[in-house]
Order: sequence, then C-alpha cells, then structure tokens
Amino acid sequence: NAGVTQTPKFQVLKTGQSMTLQCAQDMNHEYMSWYRQDPGMGLRLIHYSVGAGITDQGEVPNGYNVSRSTTEDFPLRLLSAAPSQTSVYFCASSYSATGGYEQYFGPGTRLTVT
Amino acid sequence: EDQVTQSPEALRLQEGESSSLNCSYTVSGLRGLFWYRQDPGKGPEFLFTLYSAGEEKEKERLKATLTKKESFLHITAPKPEDSATYLCAAREGFQKLVFGTGTRLLVSP
Repeated sequence: NAGVTQTPKFQVLKTGQSMTLQCAQDMNHEYMSWYRQDPGMGLRLIHYSVGAGITDQGEVPNGYNVSRSTTEDFPLRLLSAAPSQTSVYFCASSYSATGGYEQYFGPGTRLTVT
Repeated sequence: EDQVTQSPEALRLQEGESSSLNCSYTVSGLRGLFWYRQDPGKGPEFLFTLYSAGEEKEKERLKATLTKKESFLHITAPKPEDSATYLCAAREGFQKLVFGTGTRLLVSP
C-alpha cells in the first residue's frame, strides 16, 4: 500500500511552459485534492474532486486544470507557467467527500518557474 | 472571513520541557479540527481530528484539545524527534478546509 504518490519530486520550468504534476492513490479514496504551500501562508486548495468525472475549483484555481478519469489518479496541469506558480504542491486524498474524514498527503512536488 | 491562526510561529524547547501550541479559529459551523505534523521536505502527516468542544485525543506525548474558539496541542516531555512543523486546519461545511501557517517546533537534547 503506497498511499499517495506524486511525481516528479522537483521540477524547473521556464515562464510559459506547460506541464502536468501526477498524483495517484491506492486506497480507493473518493476525495482527492491539490494544495499549494507557500512560505508564510497556509496550505491553499487549488482544485478538488469528489469522485471520478467530478472536479471543482478551490481557493486558488487560476492557471491550473484538473481532470479525474479514474478513482486512483488526479493530475494537475499548469497551462502556461508563471513565476507566481513557484511553490510546493501537495496532493491529498480522503475516504469520504463529506464529513470530517482526515486527508492523507503525498510527499509533494517542488516547482520553480523562472 | 474564515481564519485559522496558530501561535507561536516558532518554539524552541529543551528535551523534557512540556509546552502547548495554540490554534484559534473563526470558522462558523465547524465540522472538524485537524492537527498535522510536517517534517522538512515532506507532506503533512495526520495526527488528530476533533469534532466538538471538550473533546480530547492523545497519541504518545501529544494531546489535542478543543474549545469553541481554539484548539491546543500539548506536548509532554518532548524528545528531539518531536521537532517538526505542526499544522492546524478547520473544516467548515462541504470541502472547505482552512489551514493555519503552522508552528515550527525545535526540541534540543
């Protein structure tokens, strides 16, 4: 049981480039989400999904796209990278989309946009 | 505006010196208060969920408590391996989880 996995661990992009951050979970969790973590700020929700085929925007969705074609995978796409997207990105999953179930986080992807 | 504020920002303790971390929240209709531990370069690791005022949960040297406006993470006789950043998050309604900025704890031997 690997839990939540993320690739790559580190990435450097030039402004305007696009890329996909991968996230997968093997716990059959219904709910998956993407956060970014910046110095001096709490984790902020980018997008989330309550099940395959269902996604919605979080607090800071601009510049990011997501899709959820399977229960296991929830990739995050940066359409045209900007320096403001330099951050550490975490994917998380939880058993249920409702209630107070705890979220399990992946190890993170550190992204630098130059 | 929903807010979660953690204090202090950083805390340095000697091994064995007990203390408490504070998390105050202004989330209406709280549906869960979460504590996480985050080690450098890693993702947050779940510690506790508290649902109602008066609730307490314990794990080894950690005990989390909840009132109507704040939560405390008590660390009893800490060890160097307890050094980490401790994050607090409050859930309001469906899907909305608001995180604090964390308390960086350093325990010296």
